[in-house]
Amino acid sequence: TQLLEQSPQFLSIQEGENLTVYCNSSSVFSSLQWYRQEPGEGPVLLVTVVTGGEVKKLKRLTFQFGDARKDSSLHITAAQPGDTGLYLCAGVPIQGAQKLVFGQGTRLTINP
Amino acid sequence: SQTIHQWPATLVQPVGSPLSLECTVEGTSNPNLYWYRQAAGRGLQLLFYSVGIGQISSEVPQNLSASRPQDRQFILSSKKLLLSDSGFYLCAWRLGTSVYNEQFFGPGTRLTVL
Repeated sequence: TQLLEQSPQFLSIQEGENLTVYCNSSSVFSSLQWYRQEPGEGPVLLVTVVTGGEVKKLKRLTFQFGDARKDSSLHITAAQPGDTGLYLCAGVPIQGAQKLVFGQGTRLTINP
Repeated sequence: SQTIHQWPATLVQPVGSPLSLECTVEGTSNPNLYWYRQAAGRGLQLLFYSVGIGQISSEVPQNLSASRPQDRQFILSSKKLLLSDSGFYLCAWRLGTSVYNEQFFGPGTRLTVL
């Protein structure tokens, strides 16, 4: 069974601070995605990373895929209240490519 | 552009009653379709997925079933609901030819079983 472990599970910080969320596994993934979900809504895809060591930036969000394609991180610079939400990482295992494996999520709260 | 619809948005049902949740996708053909359940503020549990009409793969033994009567329609059903069936149900689609398995989610259905 491929598992994705996210940390921290909960994070509450002040506006303007930086933060990093981690997504780790002992398995290799052919690609990994990050989603953000607002309460009562479906998750929205933020980014897909495919190549080991790949770094993608989306405004103040920086996503990195580990060299061995077993882990990923999401870094937010100068967090804003609008960044509040549930962040989910999800990966496509090397085998079983019809299904995404999801982490348990990181609940992020940015306080004004 | 592609859109995905789910209905109803919210549902309150008594224990033992039947269930039917519907999901439809517009703007694409032959998508892979998925049903997930999400506990409050947590990760997603895959329930069923389908790669084509009439084809259903079940991920966990449970009180639910799924059907795909049309290419872009996916239905989640139960004959008799249990309290443990309460949760947030999400439908998702993916292009079958997608290399990256990027899935796109519907707005969800909040089910409360009393």
